[in-house]
Amino acid sequence: DGGITQSPKYLFRKEGQNVTLSCEQNLNHDAMYWYRQDPGQGLRLIYYSQIVNDFQKGDIAEGYSVSREKKESFPLTVTSAQKNPTAFYLCASRDRGSEKLFFGSGTQLSVL
Amino acid sequence: AQRVTQPEKLLSVFKGAPVELKCNYSYSGSPELFWYVQYSRQRLQLLLRHISRESIKGFTADLNKGETSFHLKKPFAQEEDSAMYYCAILSSGGYNKLIFGAGTRLAVHP
Repeated sequence: DGGITQSPKYLFRKEGQNVTLSCEQNLNHDAMYWYRQDPGQGLRLIYYSQIVNDFQKGDIAEGYSVSREKKESFPLTVTSAQKNPTAFYLCASRDRGSEKLFFGSGTQLSVL
Repeated sequence: AQRVTQPEKLLSVFKGAPVELKCNYSYSGSPELFWYVQYSRQRLQLLLRHISRESIKGFTADLNKGETSFHLKKPFAQEEDSAMYYCAILSSGGYNKLIFGAGTRLAVHP
């Protein structure tokens, strides 16, 4: 079953703790993206990666970090520097030459 | 700055009524615009793109460069159209990234 998988579905973070959200795709897509979804604000781009070992900051990268060591994986770390991490996080991928994004089912992150 | 504006947070209509979800954009150059939809408990997915000039599930959207708009329309709404709709523009600058609007929730009542 091809697609893009995010885990976990729900995640809780304690004060001062770093947490990592997983995003894996078996679509052989080159580009991958992380968006944050807040009510009334739509989707805001956190980080994106066009190819392995390369990534770029999006509009709200502060307090987040990513890596792209493998084509199929693009994990997002929410660091303690992110003061308002509670949100729904969406990962997406895109094939080269196409503008269509394929989205994962999302991770809801909450602060304890 | 490249921006997408969806002025309505909620659009509520009755089944069979016409629907128009508004989208305005700011962009220098030739924009590429999209509508994405998120049904309840489903993933966000592409509905249509302006370059295809297609009609999906009865929805159409025409790019109006003079008014910088890309409104989504359907002549007769169905209950299954109830969802969150996002307008998006493809950003320029060498990196293909989508900039989304804030979204409009469409509620179709029986």
